Amino acid sequence: AQSVAQPEDQVNVAEGNPLTVKCTYSVSGNPYLFWYVQYPNRGLQFLLKYITGDNLVKGSYGFEAEFNKSQTSFHLKKPSALVSDSALYFCAVRSDSGNTPLVFGKGTRLSVIA
Amino acid sequence: GAGVSQTPSNKVTEKGKYVELRCDPISGHTALYWYRQSLGQGPEFLIYFQGTGAADDSGLPNDRFFAVRPEGSVSTLKIQRTERGDSAVYLCASSLGSQGRREQFFGPGTRLTVL
Repeated sequence: AQSVAQPEDQVNVAEGNPLTVKCTYSVSGNPYLFWYVQYPNRGLQFLLKYITGDNLVKGSYGFEAEFNKSQTSFHLKKPSALVSDSALYFCAVRSDSGNTPLVFGKGTRLSVIA
Repeated sequence: GAGVSQTPSNKVTEKGKYVELRCDPISGHTALYWYRQSLGQGPEFLIYFQGTGAADDSGLPNDRFFAVRPEGSVSTLKIQRTERGDSAVYLCASSLGSQGRREQFFGPGTRLTVL
């Protein structure tokens, strides 16, 4: 069975500081990993994905994520946080074997303080 | 271009009533997904269509839930005999194909409240 853990319900960071939102996963086979962001009253927006290749993936709005196979992690990072980054972030995984559904974590609320 | 649209944006109904939720995917996207998101949780998979057929309906919670996509574009999620526990935001997503590597594009959701 596939699962995603986002161990932090809330992350607070000062504007201009680096941010990290953590994600670990469990999947049979190799993982396809995704990060989505949800702003209030809006749908989930795709940020970035890891499929294969380079472990460091760059995405929208200056976000990046690092795939670590040995630690089964896919943490989301940004070098310098903006107040406008404040939102709900979801990590998701599906297996590369078979047509399995996308499984989401519970989400982490990021608050960037000016 | 136009994204995924869902109607209505909000639906309030009484326990025991029937509801239909509509999803209009991005043009040309062959794969369509329905999810349910409860407060404080991530989206949970309900059903997935490839074209007109339901390729995986393993996430539907019981036989009160049903979905169709008769022409391979618009989809309707139907809930019979609604219960208070059905209250949630119902999300629709579409993707260019069904391969696992494809990112899904989400609509704004329909907030269903069952009184």
